[in-house]
Amino acid sequence: KNEVEQSPQNLTAQEGEFITINCSYSVGISALHWLQQHPGGGIVSLFMLSSGKKKHGRLIATINIQEKHSSLHITASHPRDSAVYICAVRRMNYGGSQGNLIFGKGTKLSVKP
Amino acid sequence: EPEVTQTPSHQVTQMGQEVILRCVPISNHLYFYWYRQILGQKVEFLVSFYNNEISEKSEIFDDQFSVERPDGSNFTLKIRSTKLEDSAMYFCASSGIGEKLFFGSGTQLSVL
Repeated sequence: KNEVEQSPQNLTAQEGEFITINCSYSVGISALHWLQQHPGGGIVSLFMLSSGKKKHGRLIATINIQEKHSSLHITASHPRDSAVYICAVRRMNYGGSQGNLIFGKGTKLSVKP
Repeated sequence: EPEVTQTPSHQVTQMGQEVILRCVPISNHLYFYWYRQILGQKVEFLVSFYNNEISEKSEIFDDQFSVERPDGSNFTLKIRSTKLEDSAMYFCASSGIGEKLFFGSGTQLSVL
């Protein structure tokens, strides 16, 4: 049983489109992370959320704790946004570090010019 | 922006050999982590390290694995006797208190 589920698994978009990637989880959490994994394998942290909404440039992340759901939105998508986007959660009542995470399988995004 | 540095980028070893993967976390960070990603699978947490000791570890992190911070800058993952199934990309990461994670670019370990 996957404790973190992402949808869709794969997503192809045209440049300029608005993109939404969804993450649902089944455990109580203290934080949710959105990560970007580049084609070369490197991982970049985009957001860490515990409530509400965060925005950085063209990226917006939201979380609904009651519904155990988070979304990552990309506005005005660009081919350079092509990557795997990974949702990861930290279970509630674990210790002080942020890094003991349960990862989703990722959403592979391809943005065509 | 500060970076987490991992070396080597690729490591090939024979089954049964010991390997040490090295990481230089961001200098003012307090928490250090190792993760692995087997090809085609999701990322998995291995261990977190704080105040010179392991603070959390997963079931994957068995007696074959150990971590060390031998000096003020390096953070290492040692696999004592590698198995074929240890072949994976290993990521190091670091963070401050309550802050997002910063990942290294990974070490691809191939066990033959």
